[in-house]
Formats: sequence, structure tokens, C-alpha cells
Amino acid sequence: GEQVEQRPPHLSVREGDSAVITCTYTDPNSYYFFWYKQEPGASLQLLMKVFSSTEINEGQGFTVLLNKKDKRLSLNLTAAHPGDSAAYFCAQGGGADRLTFGKGTQLIIQP
Amino acid sequence: EAAVTQSPRSKVAVTGGKVTLSCHQTNNHDYMYWYRQDTGHGLRLIHYSYVADSTEKGDIPDGYKASRPSQENFSLILELASLSQTAVYFCASSWTLGEQYFGPGTRLTVL
Repeated sequence: GEQVEQRPPHLSVREGDSAVITCTYTDPNSYYFFWYKQEPGASLQLLMKVFSSTEINEGQGFTVLLNKKDKRLSLNLTAAHPGDSAAYFCAQGGGADRLTFGKGTQLIIQP
Repeated sequence: EAAVTQSPRSKVAVTGGKVTLSCHQTNNHDYMYWYRQDTGHGLRLIHYSYVADSTEKGDIPDGYKASRPSQENFSLILELASLSQTAVYFCASSWTLGEQYFGPGTRLTVL
């Protein structure tokens, strides 16, 4: 089946620093993607959605970049703050009737 | 406000017992999903449904059954609970090929 590889599994950065989480996917028919945020003990909240026609998307302090040639999706945090500490999951959708999720990245923001 | 709710939120079950997890959505979505989340595995799809009275197998259906009696309700059934089924279970709903909205999760402990 289709796969999504998410890296790194754990990431620790200082407050105010940048952070990058990357997902690579295999399905050439992928045309929409999502990033979810999961705070400790909580459910998954939709953070951003990206369609293949849009290579850059910004919001909530994050920038999402989609490189269709390399099948790579990245979530870029430019200035981390403590509220960004959470697990982040990418998800890829295409012609199938389901999403394929990455295994997640645990992001820790140090003071 | 549209929402996905799950019950119970937490459950302790005995090995070999029957467990039923319930999910209710007011999003008027066609699709509903059941996932389990384990540390290091991200989200894994157990069963899903795109119409009432019909369910589909996901990636890890063994040991689980699902029931979709109406558009709003989707249940996950463990006929003979086992220790390996200890996990957090999430229900989600979506439009066709759209972003998924998650419920708060059910923490299941099998002893």
C-alpha cells in the first residue's frame, strides 16, 4: 500500500528557533495533504491542509511546502513557542477513500 | 457545532471479554473511521465506512468488527478482547476525500 515516511520522530528546539518536519510519500496520485497537531492526552486537531495545486501554504505560525517532484511535504515552524510542543502528523490523500498517516513527530520546545 | 463524540472515554476490560466502543458524529459526513494509536506506530486504520449498513476493512482489522447502523453512528466491537488491544482508539468522520475530524479518543486497557 501507499506509504508516508515522516522524519524526524523526535525534535527538540529552543523557544524562538525554527523547526522542520518532513514527510515523503510514494503515491504519485496524491493531491491533497494535511497536517494534524496532537497535544498530550488530547485528540488530533487539523492544523493545515494543502492541495497539490498550491506549493506554499501559511497559517498559525507555520509554513507548509509541497515539492511534488520529490514527493516531499514539509512543515516549517519559524519561531517556536511553548504552545507548539505537541505531536505532529502528516496525512496524504489521493484516489483512495482513506488518508495515509505518517508515524508522527514529537516536538518539544525548550525555554 | 459539528462534532465527533466517543463513549466511553476510558474503559478497563478483562481478557476474553466483549468490548464495544461507540462513536457519534453530527457533521453529516458520509465517511467514518476507527483508528488505534500506539506509541511509535502513529495512527493505524482498523475499519471504516462510507455508507450506513456497510463497513470496510482497514489495515489492521483482525480481532475487530465494526457496525454502522446509521450515518451518525459507528461502533467498534472487540468480541474477545486481548492484552494486545490495549491502546487509545480514535473515531473520525469526513466528507468524501476530505479532511478528517477526530473524536476525543477512548483509552482502552485490557487486563
